[in-house]
Amino acid sequence: EIVLTQSPGTLSLSPGERATLSCRASQSLSSSFLAWYQQRPGQAPRLLIYATSTRATGIPDRFSGSGSGTDFTLTISRLEPEDFAVYYCHQFGSSVRTFGQGTKVEI
Amino acid sequence: QVQLQESGPGLVKPSETLSLTCTVSGGSISSYFWTWIRQPPGKGLEWIGYIYYTGSTSYNPSLKSRLTISVDTSKNQFSLKLSSLTAADTAVYYCARGNYGDAFDIWGQGTMVTVSS
Repeated sequence: EIVLTQSPGTLSLSPGERATLSCRASQSLSSSFLAWYQQRPGQAPRLLIYATSTRATGIPDRFSGSGSGTDFTLTISRLEPEDFAVYYCHQFGSSVRTFGQGTKVEI
Repeated sequence: QVQLQESGPGLVKPSETLSLTCTVSGGSISSYFWTWIRQPPGKGLEWIGYIYYTGSTSYNPSLKSRLTISVDTSKNQFSLKLSSLTAADTAVYYCARGNYGDAFDIWGQGTMVTVSS
């Protein structure tokens, strides 16, 4: 099973600032099999990024993803009020899929 | 557009079996991976397992002995059965579609399941 470890657990920032979220895999992962989700309180998660760096339909370009091997990053270039939420990485490179434990981006 | 809707009981007794169904509307269940995910109150997401439309499955090893996921292509539905429930199974249960490999691009709204006597 591939374990995903996200850091930091909580990121305290202000609107307009840049957010950098990390996801580290316990073993090397093809970049095709790493995705990021946003979850706002009381809502289902929403797909932001798949294949490490491809934005899903309708996702604004302030969201970007990068990485390879075991280290992956989600960057929000300028935080909007609606971006304060919890973010999860997810791998599907093995038959047993896993999520990271989440990073909360708070004001 | 494709939509997913979970259905099932909101309250189940300990030791009983949970049965949930996800109905796919606006598109065919043929092709794609179809997945169950859960989220205990105040906690993160836990992958439960998936079924491919052909019927092949993969389960979370921690749940495998209690879990069955099945698909009914004629009804455009897939289902979860989880047996021997305990309070630790209390969670919001989501169904989701796997696309672009198996990224979850469409989610149901989620259904809260409480295990309590």
